[in-house]
Amino acid sequence: NAGVTQTPKFRVLKTGQSMTLLCAQDMNHEYMYWYRQDPGMGLRLIHYSVGEGTTAKGEVPDGYNVSRLKKQNFLLGLESAAPSQTSVYFCASSPRTGYNQPQHFGDGTRLSIL
Amino acid sequence: KQEVTQIPAALSVPEGENLVLNCSFTDSAIYNLQWFRQDPGKGLTSLLLIQSSQREQTSGRLNASLDKSSGRSTLYIAASQPGDSATYLCAAGNAGGTSYGKLTFGQGTILTVHP
Repeated sequence: NAGVTQTPKFRVLKTGQSMTLLCAQDMNHEYMYWYRQDPGMGLRLIHYSVGEGTTAKGEVPDGYNVSRLKKQNFLLGLESAAPSQTSVYFCASSPRTGYNQPQHFGDGTRLSIL
Repeated sequence: KQEVTQIPAALSVPEGENLVLNCSFTDSAIYNLQWFRQDPGKGLTSLLLIQSSQREQTSGRLNASLDKSSGRSTLYIAASQPGDSATYLCAAGNAGGTSYGKLTFGQGTILTVHP
């Protein structure tokens, strides 16, 4: 059972570089989410998607873009990385009847911006 | 805007103790309240989900309660073991027409159970 898989697991970038984080889920879930986790601040929602071809902003969307071209994949992009984006990024998914279904999380991507 | 707070931030107990983790939320309009466990360097694992119409949920040595009117939830761990050492996060499932299952997380409680 792969569940939610995030790629890469670790990455170091220089300020101004761009990169894409990939999230893949094999549970046929409609809803997918990107969070960032910073020390002492819990998880904060960056963007989310309620289905293929749809995306929406979360609590902290600035500096990030997302795409969901296929139902099983949700991509998070950083166009011009900044040190403030150093964080651990988590992807999660849940079924459409998600109001009373737990979200399933990947193991995270640890990103450092120098 | 929903705000979720967890107390204490860290807790260290000897093996075998029963313990309680606290979670409070400011907006009672929630669909559910979820408790997760996070091990170092790992993602979150769902422990318990309490629907807004429920008062509590149990799984093994874990029991979670929900009091919507007071904006509080507690996670009770019975007979704690060193393997319970982890960070425990609570999250409120926000209600509303466009909630789409979105969660608001607390900062977490770091639990250490020593032999």
